[in-house]
Amino acid sequence: QLQLQESGPGLVKPSETLSLTCTVSGGSISSSSYYWGWIRQPPGKRLEWIGNIYYSGSTYYNPSLKSRVTISVDTSKNQFSLRLSSVTAADTAVYYCARWGGDYGDYGFHYWGQGTLVTVSS
Amino acid sequence: EIVLTQSPGTLSLSPGERATLSCRASQSVSSSYLAWYQQKPGQAPRLLIYDASSRATGIPDRFSGSGSGTDFTLTISRLEPEDFAVYYCQQYSTSPWTFGQGTKVEIK
Repeated sequence: QLQLQESGPGLVKPSETLSLTCTVSGGSISSSSYYWGWIRQPPGKRLEWIGNIYYSGSTYYNPSLKSRVTISVDTSKNQFSLRLSSVTAADTAVYYCARWGGDYGDYGFHYWGQGTLVTVSS
Repeated sequence: EIVLTQSPGTLSLSPGERATLSCRASQSVSSSYLAWYQQKPGQAPRLLIYDASSRATGIPDRFSGSGSGTDFTLTISRLEPEDFAVYYCQQYSTSPWTFGQGTKVEIK
């Protein structure tokens, strides 16, 4: 059974860089069938797609965050990572990592991490 | 950006009743690239439906999706106690992918 687990600091200061890592277990991040994504949810608000990465390193970002976001992949560690620079209180949210694509090539975020709350505060 | 508007905001129903949730897009969602997710408090979303009407693996057949263009519907034929949750639609036809604001299905 595929599992994803987010890790990283739960508190980040304003203007600094938020860094999170998603560790994938029970499956290979190098599969050509899937994309790996980051989604966030500010308290009491709707989900927001941040971006996706393919195992080759190709990335797709939400234009509203593109200037501040970097998503990278480390296939040797079966991990992918999120960096969000110049954070403000508006970036406070639960951050989820997820796999885009099902076991049969079907669309959708089929597997999700449990989520990690990141608070931006001094 | 495609804005998804879900209605109603809250649906108060009893177990065994039928739930009908709506998701309306600000512009056409091509190829019916629309998904539905269920989220319970403190949990990650769970994929229910993709491509507007295809059930994800392991999803009970009481969940069904329909629609095309700008109007989509999620129907739960008979509510079970575990179905009371928040439901989100998501479009993936146009970047940026976007989500609706959610519909809460609560016990009446």
